[in-house]
Amino acid sequence: QVQLQESGPGLVKPSQTLSLTCTVSGGSISSGSYYWSWIRQPAGKGLSWIGRIHTSGSTNYNPSLNSRVTISIDTSKNQFSLQLSSVTAADTAVYYCARERLNILTGYYLEYWGQGTLVTVSS
Amino acid sequence: DIQMTQSPSSLPASVGDRVTITCRASQSIRSYLNWYQQKPGKPPKLLIYAASTLQSGVPSRVSGSGSGTDFTLTISSLQPEDFATYSCQQSYSPPYSFGQGTKLEI
Repeated sequence: QVQLQESGPGLVKPSQTLSLTCTVSGGSISSGSYYWSWIRQPAGKGLSWIGRIHTSGSTNYNPSLNSRVTISIDTSKNQFSLQLSSVTAADTAVYYCARERLNILTGYYLEYWGQGTLVTVSS
Repeated sequence: DIQMTQSPSSLPASVGDRVTITCRASQSIRSYLNWYQQKPGKPPKLLIYAASTLQSGVPSRVSGSGSGTDFTLTISSLQPEDFATYSCQQSYSPPYSFGQGTKLEI
């Protein structure tokens, strides 16, 4: 059974960089059949897709985050990471990592999720 | 970017009811539509992918339909564990946007 676990600081100061890591267990992050994704959810609001990375290093990001976001992968540690720069209070949210399965016939879907970690942006 | 709009935002219901939630895309997304269930303090759980394919382990009272821009999620006979928030997501074109969610409540 694949499990994902987010880790990182729960409090980040405005203008600084938010950094989170997702550790994958129960399966290899190197499998080519998946993307590894980040999603966030402000309190009481809907889900927002941040971006994803493939083992090949190929990435897709949400343009709404402009150039503030970077997702990287470390296959030797079975981890992938999120960096979000120049944060403001609007970036306060629960951040989830997830495994996104690719099926050529049925498209992409987020089949496994981490439990989520709350990141608060405040001085 | 593709916008996803769900209706209603909240849906009062009772155990045993048949309920339908609607999701509309701002452009055609063919059948690249997923549905998730989320309970308070928990991550979302995949229910349906490709508009109508039930994820393994999801009860058969849950079903999905639609293609193009209009989609529905139906629960045929509500059980107590079904009271949660349901969100649609398009996987046709990045960024893979979500609907704002529909809260199913007693």
